[in-house]
Amino acid sequence: GAGVSQSPRYKVAKRGQDVALRCDPISGHVSLFWYQQALGQGPEFLTYFQNEAQLDKSGLPSDRFFAERPEGSVSTLKIQRTQQEDSAVYLCASSPRTGKRNTYNEQFFGPGTRLTVL
Amino acid sequence: QKEVEQDPGPLSVPEGAIVSLNCTYSNSAFQYFMWYRQYSRKGPELLMYTYSSGNKEDGRFTAQVDKSSKYISLFIRDSQPSDSATYLCAMLTNAGKSTFGDGTTLTVKP
Repeated sequence: GAGVSQSPRYKVAKRGQDVALRCDPISGHVSLFWYQQALGQGPEFLTYFQNEAQLDKSGLPSDRFFAERPEGSVSTLKIQRTQQEDSAVYLCASSPRTGKRNTYNEQFFGPGTRLTVL
Repeated sequence: QKEVEQDPGPLSVPEGAIVSLNCTYSNSAFQYFMWYRQYSRKGPELLMYTYSSGNKEDGRFTAQVDKSSKYISLFIRDSQPSDSATYLCAMLTNAGKSTFGDGTTLTVKP
């Protein structure tokens, strides 16, 4: 079966350009997460959707970062006026259920989009 | 100080060795403790998760959690070259977002 897919896999942008990164979660998965992984570090949480609702955006580093999931399936992470410090791998993960107390909800990760800002 | 600290490595062992990977954490709200494996240019892949203190075994892998010490470990027995990867510990509150360590890169030499 198809896993989480992300596109493009690689993106090179000039400083100041806007970029849009796409995530196709596993079909039927309710929850969707975006993470940022800098070189040599672990993934850092950016934002979380439950269906189309963005329930947590506390990890977005600035107002240049914007994410949406308008129909509760595909999600787009947009970065405006890219800066060199935005260079990282952007990971998307989906999970089949909403978070419930005392219930583990496995997250399935996509391969990531490697963004390089020159 | 980060909420999750992981031994940075890198770690290089001969094939067949027992590998020990460790993380400490500071947030008592963490409920679930996971280990992921990440190959180069791939997303993290879940190996194991545990909910409570104690040991959990799955084949050659054993996850250990000590909540009183805020310390978790992953042991790999009879390590294989195919185990060469970066291992990430991660922790989860009931809120759903995972907090990761920075990973330990493991190389198993034939």
